[in-house]
Amino acid sequence: DQQVKQNSPSLSVQEGRISILNCDYTNSMFDYFLWYKKYPAEGPTFLISISSIKDKNEDGRFTVFLNKSAKHLSLHIVPSQPGDSAVYFCAARSDGTSYGKLTFGQGTILTVHP
Amino acid sequence: NAGVTQTPKFQVLKTGQSMTLQCAQDMNHEYMSWYRQDPGMGLRLIHYSVGAGITDQGEVPNGYNVSRSTTEDFPLRLLSAAPSQTSVYFCASTTRHGYGYTFGSGTRLTVV
Repeated sequence: DQQVKQNSPSLSVQEGRISILNCDYTNSMFDYFLWYKKYPAEGPTFLISISSIKDKNEDGRFTVFLNKSAKHLSLHIVPSQPGDSAVYFCAARSDGTSYGKLTFGQGTILTVHP
Repeated sequence: NAGVTQTPKFQVLKTGQSMTLQCAQDMNHEYMSWYRQDPGMGLRLIHYSVGAGITDQGEVPNGYNVSRSTTEDFPLRLLSAAPSQTSVYFCASTTRHGYGYTFGSGTRLTVV
């Protein structure tokens, strides 16, 4: 049972436009969500996170939106840059369990064209 | 540089062989985890530890053992390698507050 799903395996956008990556989850106990970016042959790097008590968190060009009723979160990148081309993973964690446990989505490959 | 260090970066094993993937962090993080990444599957949790001497199973623990004798080190042992364990393995750590997990650069393992 895939508790965190990224239904779009890939996304292609033009430089300067907005990239929107989506993530759905099924476990209502998840209370903290993270986005990771991964380049080939490297480990995932933390991008941005959001607690379930918020519906939006911004960090520069990156904004994460959380819709708890729909069990949906999205990552907006504005403006997109060629260096943003990577695999993006969303991840979730539930309170009351070990902070060592993250549940990941399958990932979305973002390609930003110059 | 501070962070999570994984060794080796690449390894080829024959079916039935055993080996240990090393993971060390120098950030004094309490929590450490092992994940494997397979195409179309994202990252799946193998084992995790909330502190020295304490470990627990994740989503896909079969065929793997872990121990945590120190805060810094969290080795992953493959007892008898199988082709199904061909994957990229990542170690990660975080503080007890769990905000932002730091990953190592990965170990690419091939079992033939």
